[in-house]
Amino acid sequence: DGGITQSPKYLFRKEGQNVTLSCEQNLNHDAMYWYRQDPGQGLRLIYYSQIVNDFQKGDIAEGYSVSREKKESFPLTVTSAQKNPTAFYLCASSPPQFLPDSNQPQHFGDGTRLSIL
Amino acid sequence: DAKTTQPPSMDCAEGRAANLPCNHSTISGNEYVYWYRQIHSQGPQYIIHGLKNNETNEMASLIITEDRKSSTLILPHATLRDTAVYYCIVRGASGGSYIPTFGRGTSLIVHP
Repeated sequence: DGGITQSPKYLFRKEGQNVTLSCEQNLNHDAMYWYRQDPGQGLRLIYYSQIVNDFQKGDIAEGYSVSREKKESFPLTVTSAQKNPTAFYLCASSPPQFLPDSNQPQHFGDGTRLSIL
Repeated sequence: DAKTTQPPSMDCAEGRAANLPCNHSTISGNEYVYWYRQIHSQGPQYIIHGLKNNETNEMASLIITEDRKSSTLILPHATLRDTAVYYCIVRGASGGSYIPTFGRGTSLIVHP
């Protein structure tokens, strides 16, 4: 079955440490996204990529970095510059959004919950 | 993006229809209405989307008003497993890069 795999499901970080969250998809989607969700809140966009080797900052990109070297993969690094990294992180993918009449929905992974030790 | 407004919470008896409203009064002509739901500690799941006609699939029905300023998601026979947060989103479908925005949604509790 096609889908999005996020790993690990739970992740713990020490103060001052960088950590990388994995996101892999086999849906052949061009676009991929990272969102952050805090308790009782909606989803906030961190970064998105419409095509390989290109990505754009979302609303809360500070303290995060991404790469998009392969179509299937869009890893997110939470750097030590992110002062409040404890949150639920969600990865999504979709067909390209820049095509005319593109109305296909996003597909989401099951998230990674990051906590500070 | 057109902004959407949803009630923060609703409840429904098991076996009854759940009708979840969404207001999107500033929606433009080429923007679709999408519904997702999120069960606790999982990623959002796509339910249904539409432009102006009513839509139905195996999960739900979507009713869009004629002026397109509001819509209703209908779960015809709610079960306990339908307890989740439901998000209503509008986004464009032509040209340009367009990223959906998820607000706080409606927390639906289905009770026995």
